[in-house]
Amino acid sequence: DAGVIQSPRHEVTEMGQEVTLRCKPISGHDYLFWYRQTMMRGLELLIYFNNNVPIDDSGMPEDRFSAKMPNASFSTLKIQPSEPRDSAVYFCASSPQGASWNEKLFFGSGTQLSVL
Amino acid sequence: DQQVKQNSPSLSVQEGRISILNCDYTNSMFDYFLWYKKYPAEGPTFLISISSIKDKNEDGRFTVFLNKSAKHLSLHIVPSQPGDSAVYFCAASAMGNDMRFGAGTRLTVKP
Repeated sequence: DAGVIQSPRHEVTEMGQEVTLRCKPISGHDYLFWYRQTMMRGLELLIYFNNNVPIDDSGMPEDRFSAKMPNASFSTLKIQPSEPRDSAVYFCASSPQGASWNEKLFFGSGTQLSVL
Repeated sequence: DQQVKQNSPSLSVQEGRISILNCDYTNSMFDYFLWYKKYPAEGPTFLISISSIKDKNEDGRFTVFLNKSAKHLSLHIVPSQPGDSAVYFCAASAMGNDMRFGAGTRLTVKP
């Protein structure tokens, strides 16, 4: 299995531009999570989906952030307009329904976002 | 609101010695705790976990201790090896699938 695939690996953009991050979860996994890693707050949960349905988006910082999961194999996290304080590493993770805890989360390699 | 806190951003130990990473939590509903390890340019990977009904779980060189009354857990690595150098995240979950993470502790094991 290729694991969780995120693209792009690096994104550099200017303030005010729209940014779209992409994630392909592991096939068969029912849960998909978006996390943001910053120096100050570590790994923050932004939103998670179960069977393509958003379950908890309370971690989404502002209305500028939105996430979709149109099908079981694809999710996007969009920031519009982007701001310098959005600069961080964004991780996508997936897990299977009823997983044992040592199988709980499989992370992608992350997208390093820099907003200038 | 940081429900899971790792107050030490970094730790440096000598190869062969014990590494102790600490984690505190505030949510008494958390019933499962995990440690993840992260190398540069990679996503975090699962390391070890513990249920709230236990106070200790051991896996090879790694042991996690849970003190529910103090809302504190720790990860012990004995003996520490240079390959253990990474960022370690403490995580917790409350009867659900969302998992809350701490800010991470960067461990450096010196040869």
